[in-house]
Amino acid sequence: DQQVKQNSPSLSVQEGRISILNCDYTNSMFDYFLWYKKYPAEGPTFLISISSIKDKNEDGRFTVFLNKSAKHLSLHIVPSQPGDSAVYFCAADITGTASKLTFGTGTRLQVTL
Amino acid sequence: DADVTQTPRNRITKTGKRIMLECSQTKGHDRMYWYRQDPGLGLRLIYYSFDVKDINKGEISDGYSVSRQAQAKFSLSLESAIPNQTALYFCATGSAGNYGYTFGSGTRLTVV
Repeated sequence: DQQVKQNSPSLSVQEGRISILNCDYTNSMFDYFLWYKKYPAEGPTFLISISSIKDKNEDGRFTVFLNKSAKHLSLHIVPSQPGDSAVYFCAADITGTASKLTFGTGTRLQVTL
Repeated sequence: DADVTQTPRNRITKTGKRIMLECSQTKGHDRMYWYRQDPGLGLRLIYYSFDVKDINKGEISDGYSVSRQAQAKFSLSLESAIPNQTALYFCATGSAGNYGYTFGSGTRLTVV
């Protein structure tokens, strides 16, 4: 049972445009969410996170939005750059318990020139 | 040196063989995790450890075992490898109250 889902396996965006990556979750106990970025032959690296007490968190070109009622979060990248081409994983956790992140299936983003 | 080091980087083994994947970290984190990545399935948790004496099963622990030899070392063993254990394996570290993990570069394991 996939508790964290990324329904788009891949996404192609032109350089300079906005990239929007989506993630849905089913466990209402999740209250902390993260995005990781993964390049080939490397491990995932932490990108940005958001607590459920917020609905938006911004870090430079990256913004994460959380809609708790819809159990949905999204990652916006503006403007997209070729170096953003990677696989993006969303992850969720339940704070106050032993931390063990549950990851989504990943979305491969390709930023074209 | 990398914060989280996994060895080997690549390994091909035969069905039925025992194999150990090793992970060491210099982050000083108390928590360590083993995940596997499969196409279309994302990252799934195999085992995790919050300290040397605390080992816990993840969602897909069958066929695997682990050993936390020291705070900095966490190894994953496949006692009798089977082809559907072919995957990319990642070790990660974390600390209490900090929800961002640091991942190693991964071990690509192929069981033939």
